[in-house]
Amino acid sequence: DGGITQSPKYLFRKEGQNVTLSCEQNLNHDAMYWYRQDPGQGLRLIYYSQIVNDFQKGDIAEGYSVSREKKESFPLTVTSAQKNPTAFYLCASTPGQGASQPQHFGDGTRLSIL
Amino acid sequence: SQQGEEDPQALSIQEGENATMNCSYKTSINNLQWYRQNSGRGLVHLILIRSNEREKHSGRLRVTLDTSKKSSSLLITASRAADTASYFCATGYNQGGKLIFGQGTELSVKP
Repeated sequence: DGGITQSPKYLFRKEGQNVTLSCEQNLNHDAMYWYRQDPGQGLRLIYYSQIVNDFQKGDIAEGYSVSREKKESFPLTVTSAQKNPTAFYLCASTPGQGASQPQHFGDGTRLSIL
Repeated sequence: SQQGEEDPQALSIQEGENATMNCSYKTSINNLQWYRQNSGRGLVHLILIRSNEREKHSGRLRVTLDTSKKSSSLLITASRAADTASYFCATGYNQGGKLIFGQGTELSVKP
């Protein structure tokens, strides 16, 4: 079955540590997105990539970094500069560029601070 | 910044009743989408309505869009306990690939 796989499901970060969240899709989609969701809140866009080797900052990019070396993979690194990383992180994809298409989501990674 | 605002924030109904959720936004859009999220899971796309459309149906779902009032509503008819979830609207624009999500309505359907 085609879909988006996020791993791990749960992740713990120590003070001063960088952690990387994985997002892989086998839908052959061009565009991929990372969102952060805080309890009782909507989604806020961290980074998005509309094509391989290119990505743009979203609304809350500070303290995060991404890469898009392969079409199917869009990992997100939460750096030590992100002082409040505890949240639910969601990855999504769309077949093409633009906001006129439904987004397909993974099942998220829940990040907590130790 | 988040543009979509949803109301109510929480809604509790009995099985078989209809549920209506509303979404308002501030600037002109290309399309508006509704998503569902079960607890601890990712979002699932329900329906997309374009700015030149006024109403769309999908099974027990009915979505309306009023661009003059910059608002949309999602109606779920004959609700079931399995409809219990959070529902989000998201607005898309002509430029760029971003969607802006609202803060969601938490729906509880009691059997």
